Amino acid sequence: DADVTQTPRNRITKTGKRIMLECSQTKGHDRMYWYRQDPGLGLRLIYYSFDVKDINKGEISDGYSVSRQAQAKFSLSLESAIPNQTALYFCATRSDKPPYEQYFGPGTRLTVT
Amino acid sequence: QQQVKQSPQSLIVQKGGISIINCAYENTAFDYFPWYQQFPGKGPALLIAIRPDVSEKKEGRFTISFNKSAKQFSLHIMDSQPGDSATYFCAASTGPILTGGGNKLTFGTGTQLKVEL
Repeated sequence: DADVTQTPRNRITKTGKRIMLECSQTKGHDRMYWYRQDPGLGLRLIYYSFDVKDINKGEISDGYSVSRQAQAKFSLSLESAIPNQTALYFCATRSDKPPYEQYFGPGTRLTVT
Repeated sequence: QQQVKQSPQSLIVQKGGISIINCAYENTAFDYFPWYQQFPGKGPALLIAIRPDVSEKKEGRFTISFNKSAKQFSLHIMDSQPGDSATYFCAASTGPILTGGGNKLTFGTGTQLKVEL
């Protein structure tokens, strides 16, 4: 079974709709992250959480919000989706042991029309 | 502001050849430099990482070369194989120890590698 799962894997939505992307992990890690990937731009950090009470904005948090429901669950919401939020979204967790690897989920491909 | 610059954007190498991907960084506080490998339809996965106290780290066919004074690091894939065809991302962070900045990775823009037979 996958250690980091994301649902849905693909989503098409319309401008103005609210949507939620969900992430679950079985690795027992406290630290979780949300990234978006765009061609030619690499991965950019949206939000990150060091535990259920500690949530921080990343470099591109505008238009997004998150919820850390439990150690294992970290959700990303788009309150009012817009076309330039069309991207591939990844959730990740991070180990507290060397080499402090980040483990990525399989991604959610989001299209906003 | 691109804190980690990666080149080339794409690379085609013949089987058995050497693939070289370069990255340059600006923030001298970076002290952890991983490389991630991503296959189509998958999330990135850690390939190899280096700290700035060494100039080179080798794991199998993969080597990171690090030049602290030039603020550059590179990935070398020796004896490149078709199975190495993937997108490679360099990244940097201010270290794994929990601080005000924590372990936030700043990624390069990626290099799409194709290894041809």
